[in-house]
Amino acid sequence: GAVVSQHPSWVICKSGTSVKIECRSLDFQATTMFWYRQFPKQSLMLMATSNEGSKATYEQGVEKDKFLINHASLTLSTLTVTSAHPEDSSFYICSARPGGNSYNEQFFGPGTRLTVL
Amino acid sequence: SQQGEEDPQALSIQEGENATMNCSYKTSINNLQWYRQNSGRGLVHLILIRSNEREKHSGRLRVTLDTSKKSSSLLITASRAADTASYFCATDQGGKLIFGQGTELSVKP
Repeated sequence: GAVVSQHPSWVICKSGTSVKIECRSLDFQATTMFWYRQFPKQSLMLMATSNEGSKATYEQGVEKDKFLINHASLTLSTLTVTSAHPEDSSFYICSARPGGNSYNEQFFGPGTRLTVL
Repeated sequence: SQQGEEDPQALSIQEGENATMNCSYKTSINNLQWYRQNSGRGLVHLILIRSNEREKHSGRLRVTLDTSKKSSSLLITASRAADTASYFCATDQGGKLIFGQGTELSVKP
């Protein structure tokens, strides 16, 4: 149980295009999902917290108009990188937390590697 | 930054030896978690220790937590080549996970 999937697992796009990444909780309902970014040889940096049915909360320094997050259902959150540029190339990882208890464990997706040419 | 610190940044040991990684953080926490990440892959959850716990074991893993010093350690005993990976601590701060910088462990056969 507690499986989180991401799609696609990798994507290559041209500079200026937009890319959508999906994060799904397969066997549980996730009131809250999180999006992280990881550059090579670095740690995960929390980008935003996504609550079902409400606007995402972005961490300081993360542009909300650049990284659009939609959490339209209890099992799906999407991250859209708009007008992607080479500096947006990174490993994007989502996590999902079951229910509304903030003490619940988060479950991580396998990540999406974005390469912007 | 709320990000925690880990040391060492890199650790190279021989198979069979023990590996110890340390993590320090800055704010109050609900719990602290350790994760493993193989190169280019997702995270694997290893162990969670709550703020009112001091030590926890899981197989060859031993985690300690000292909230007065805001620090934790992960000990891997009798290491194996398959333990080669990056290890991250993450503190639960109000429901958000804040990751440490990670330790890159290399276990040589």
